[in-house]
Amino acid sequence: GQNIDQPTEMTATEGAIVQINCTYQTSGFNGLFWYQQHAGEAPTFLSYNVLDGLEEKGRFSSFLSRSKGYSYLLLKELQMKDSASYLCAVKESNYQLIWGAGTKLIIKP
Amino acid sequence: IAGITQAPTSQILAAGRRMTLRCTQDMRHNAMYWYRQDLGLGLRLIHYSNTAGTTGKGEVPDGYSVSRANTDDFPLTLASAVPSQTSVYFCASSDSGEVNEQFFGPGTRLTVL
Repeated sequence: GQNIDQPTEMTATEGAIVQINCTYQTSGFNGLFWYQQHAGEAPTFLSYNVLDGLEEKGRFSSFLSRSKGYSYLLLKELQMKDSASYLCAVKESNYQLIWGAGTKLIIKP
Repeated sequence: IAGITQAPTSQILAAGRRMTLRCTQDMRHNAMYWYRQDLGLGLRLIHYSNTAGTTGKGEVPDGYSVSRANTDDFPLTLASAVPSQTSVYFCASSDSGEVNEQFFGPGTRLTVL
């Protein structure tokens, strides 16, 4: 079956680093996305990985291991505005996305 | 302003009523999607369209229909609303590039009583 697992909620401190994990089992794989969603708003694109390794974009980095069915999103120098849900999504062979339920990240001062 | 618009922003609807959620994009994207988002669940695909004139069923299509008469518009219709269709509905679009990330509209919060 198809399944994407992420922790439901995480808490971190302002200025610190946090890693949000995502494991997946899907019928096909054509890439993995991370999106950010603030409460009451639409998801917005953060990163895309299709090859194994680390993609860095400012304070955010995303890692992929296709053989392990595993990805993580790394957020550095956390700011209060990073409080949001982070959604992991896998692009399947038919190019449609399968979404995880999201990880709610709470940043404390 | 480039992007996706959805209307209405929110709606309370009596069960059994017909309702159309509107979605318009001005990015000339070929593909468009309708999702519903419920607490504790991931976004679930209702219907999609890879190009104007074609549509397809997603994971949860029952009770919903769509049309794609042109590139810009992708309305979602609930023929006879039921309380289980209470949700937040997001429309999205994507281009045909290698990444083809999806861009989302602001959402419609629908309550069916």
